[in-house]
Amino acid sequence: DVKVTQSSRYLVKRTGEKVFLECVQDMDHENMFWYRQDPGLGLRLIYFSYDVKMKEKGDIPEGYSVSREKKERFSLILESASTNQTSMYLCASSLGTFGTEAFFGQGTRLTVV
Amino acid sequence: GENVEQHPSTLSVQEGDSAVIKCTYSDSASNYFPWYKQELGKGPQLIIDIRSNVGEKKDQRIAVTLNKTAKHFSLHITETQPEDSAVYFCAALTSYGNNRLAFGKGNQVVVIP
Repeated sequence: DVKVTQSSRYLVKRTGEKVFLECVQDMDHENMFWYRQDPGLGLRLIYFSYDVKMKEKGDIPEGYSVSREKKERFSLILESASTNQTSMYLCASSLGTFGTEAFFGQGTRLTVV
Repeated sequence: GENVEQHPSTLSVQEGDSAVIKCTYSDSASNYFPWYKQELGKGPQLIIDIRSNVGEKKDQRIAVTLNKTAKHFSLHITETQPEDSAVYFCAALTSYGNNRLAFGKGNQVVVIP
């Protein structure tokens, strides 16, 4: 069974902290994605990666960066957390190009206080 | 960019009845349309998808139909059960902005026992 695992279900961080959200997939997918989910706004793409050490900005990259050192792992970094980054963060990986047939992790609910 | 809209935002159905959720999209070049189901506390799960060279696809109690001329596609759930209660997201693979999935804002489906 395919699996995308996010390291934390819930996180509480302070304003200004550097935050790392980790995602691991076991399907040997080349494509990985980070989304943010907010009520009434749906899923918005933050960053994505089509290969190791490769990254592309999504629709809302400001305040975030990513790291893909290994094929199975894609990390989202909040350089200096702010309260407006309180949200549900979803990682996904896909077999197909551009996010087709994507599988999501269970999500990390981040609260910045 | 691509605009994906879902209707209705909330749908309540009696157990055993059918449910239909409709999505409209704006990019006529979009060619891949997935539907995701998100249960409370979980990440979205791909339940069915359709490509633009097909008009309809079925998988047990769920089906998706695509009308490329009108630029809309619909999710059909027959013989609804309480476990079908969830938020359903549609998406379209758009050519805007480097080819990525554009998601709708989601529909809350409530199946009343």
